[in-house]
Amino acid sequence: KQEVTQIPAALSVPEGENLVLNCSFTDSAIYNLQWFRQDPGKGLTSLLLIQSSQREQTSGRLNASLDKSSGRSTLYIAASQPGDSATYLCAVTHNTDKLIFGTGTRLQVFP
Amino acid sequence: EPEVTQTPSHQVTQMGQEVILRCVPISNHLYFYWYRQILGQKVEFLVSFYNNEISEKSEIFDDQFSVERPDGSNFTLKIRSTKLEDSAMYFCASSEDRARGGYTFGSGTRLTVV
Repeated sequence: KQEVTQIPAALSVPEGENLVLNCSFTDSAIYNLQWFRQDPGKGLTSLLLIQSSQREQTSGRLNASLDKSSGRSTLYIAASQPGDSATYLCAVTHNTDKLIFGTGTRLQVFP
Repeated sequence: EPEVTQTPSHQVTQMGQEVILRCVPISNHLYFYWYRQILGQKVEFLVSFYNNEISEKSEIFDDQFSVERPDGSNFTLKIRSTKLEDSAMYFCASSEDRARGGYTFGSGTRLTVV
């Protein structure tokens, strides 16, 4: 059974720092991996989607990498800002198109 | 940018009552999903829907739950007789291409069962 874990569970950093959020999954046979952002009490905003054949994707200050064989993905946030404060979720599709979500990393960036 | 729209944003209902949560997926998307998130827990898959039928459902999605696409635009989740443990945020999502992935989520309906 596919399990997705994210570390750290929470992170509090000063503005301007570069951050790495980690996601691991137990079964490397994934179709794709997607990173989402969730603001308190709100929906999920898709940030980056990495197909299983890809190694990384970039969007602005965000870069996500995927190492399928080791069952890991990292989300790199450059020059963090207070507006980046949110919960970051990773999710994989495994042998169907349903998303299996991780536990999330709650990020707080303070001025 | 196209959005998935969910209504209502918040619904309070009494235990045992029926509720219908509504979603308008993105118009050219073919695959539709419901997920839920109990407060403080992971987002969990409920059901996927394609070509007017359920393609997959989780063990959470028991006989109390049903989904429907009553017309060309709406996608609904019905809970027949709500329980306290159904209290959660319910998210609708849609996808254009199942093979490539890329899911767009709605902003959710917070269901509170009292």
